[in-house]
Amino acid sequence: DSGVTQTPKHLITATGQRVTLRCSPRSGDLSVYWYQQSLDQGLQFLIQYYNGEERAKGNILERFSAQQFPDLHSELNLSSLELGDSALYFCASSPRHISNTEAFFGQGTRLTVV
Amino acid sequence: DAKTTQPPSMDCAEGRAANLPCNHSTISGNEYVYWYRQIHSQGPQYIIHGLKNNETNEMASLIITEDRKSSTLILPHATLRDTAVYYCIALNAGGTSYGKLTFGQGTILTVHP
Repeated sequence: DSGVTQTPKHLITATGQRVTLRCSPRSGDLSVYWYQQSLDQGLQFLIQYYNGEERAKGNILERFSAQQFPDLHSELNLSSLELGDSALYFCASSPRHISNTEAFFGQGTRLTVV
Repeated sequence: DAKTTQPPSMDCAEGRAANLPCNHSTISGNEYVYWYRQIHSQGPQYIIHGLKNNETNEMASLIITEDRKSSTLILPHATLRDTAVYYCIALNAGGTSYGKLTFGQGTILTVHP
C-alpha cells in the first residue's frame, strides 16, 4: 500500500460525458502528479500541483483540468469524453517538488468510455 | 531530462540475479537515475535512485558507471513476483522538471521458473 488513494477504481461512462477522478496523497505530501496510461501511449505525464499551485504541465488536453485543494487532495476533471480517453489514470504524490525523493503511486482509476 | 535507452525485454530464471541495463549517455551532472517498475496494471513502484555512487536497498542494487553514461539495476535473487516492466528515468534535481517523471517504454522483465 503506497498510501495514495484513488477513487473510483473503475468508471464506465458514455462519450460526451464529464467525470471527476479523485486522489488523496500520502499524509504530508505536498506534490501531486497525474498520469494517463493508454495501451498505445504508455505512461504520459499530465499535470503536477504543489501545495495547491500548478507547477508543471505535460500533454494534458484542454478538455481536462485539475486542481489541488487546501487539504491537498486533488481532482482531475475530464469533460466531453471521447473513446480515446479510455485509459488508466494514475495519481502520485511526493513530499516536495524537488526531485531527490521518490514518488508514490496510487492504484489508478480505470476509465472506460463507451 | 536526459533520454534513456533500455532493451525492450529480458528473461531471467527464478533465483538468479536479474541485471537490467540502461543507457543515458547525455545525462548531466545534476540528473539522478531513478528506477521504477510496474507490475501488470498496478501503479508504478519506486525501486531505487542514485546520482554518482552505487546504491543498495532492500529491493535492489544500482550500479552507475564512472562516466555516468549507463547504469545497471540488479535484482539479486529474482522471483516470479518480479515480473514487471522496469523503467529507467533520468531526472534533474531541482530543475524545472519539478520532479515529474518521464516514462519511456521500459524493459519487460519475465522471470520464469
